[in-house]
Amino acid sequence: GQQVMQIPQYQHVQEGEDFTTYCNSSTTLSNIQWYKQRPGGHPVFLIQLVKSGEVKKQKRLTFQFGEAKKNSSLHITATQTTDVGTYFCAGPVDNNNDMRFGAGTRLTVKP
Amino acid sequence: NAGVTQTPKFRVLKTGQSMTLLCAQDMNHEYMYWYRQDPGMGLRLIHYSVGEGTTAKGEVPDGYNVSRLKKQNFLLGLESAAPSQTSVYFCASSTRPAPSAQYFGPGTRLTVL
Repeated sequence: GQQVMQIPQYQHVQEGEDFTTYCNSSTTLSNIQWYKQRPGGHPVFLIQLVKSGEVKKQKRLTFQFGEAKKNSSLHITATQTTDVGTYFCAGPVDNNNDMRFGAGTRLTVKP
Repeated sequence: NAGVTQTPKFRVLKTGQSMTLLCAQDMNHEYMYWYRQDPGMGLRLIHYSVGEGTTAKGEVPDGYNVSRLKKQNFLLGLESAAPSQTSVYFCASSTRPAPSAQYFGPGTRLTVL
């Protein structure tokens, strides 16, 4: 069935370094969403991408949706300690109500 | 607005016991979801609802039942709890049309002994 794979599972960076997490699907996605979960917290919606090749920016965060709509990435420039958390991507399965989440990338930032 | 609230926050059950988790949202959202989160496995959808009186199965529905009698509430029931159901449970809601941003509650940490 539909799988949303996310890599890497963990990433440890020095503050100021860049960070990227990748999301790959076995099938074409109509859209993809990204969420952030702080340690001990709940997932918080970051963004949704719908168009092929779409690129969106939120301050130091850059989100991309692949041309084939089978992959996506989240890039953080110059990480800060406030970026610590787990980043999840999510894509729909049979319908837009059944979203499958990737396993997440856990980011830790050393000051 | 409180957003999405969940009760209880923590619960310990013995194998075979039953319980109901309550999710409430005050955003007038049509869609509501129940997820479970286990270490290293992300969030897995248990059941969801696209409106009052409707429910549908997600990825891991076995062992759970749900009801959406009122638009603002979504209940998750465990009829006979098993240790494999030890997890953190999150409720979420979203507005129409799908797909749209899901707003998550703070979670319920359930331990089944």
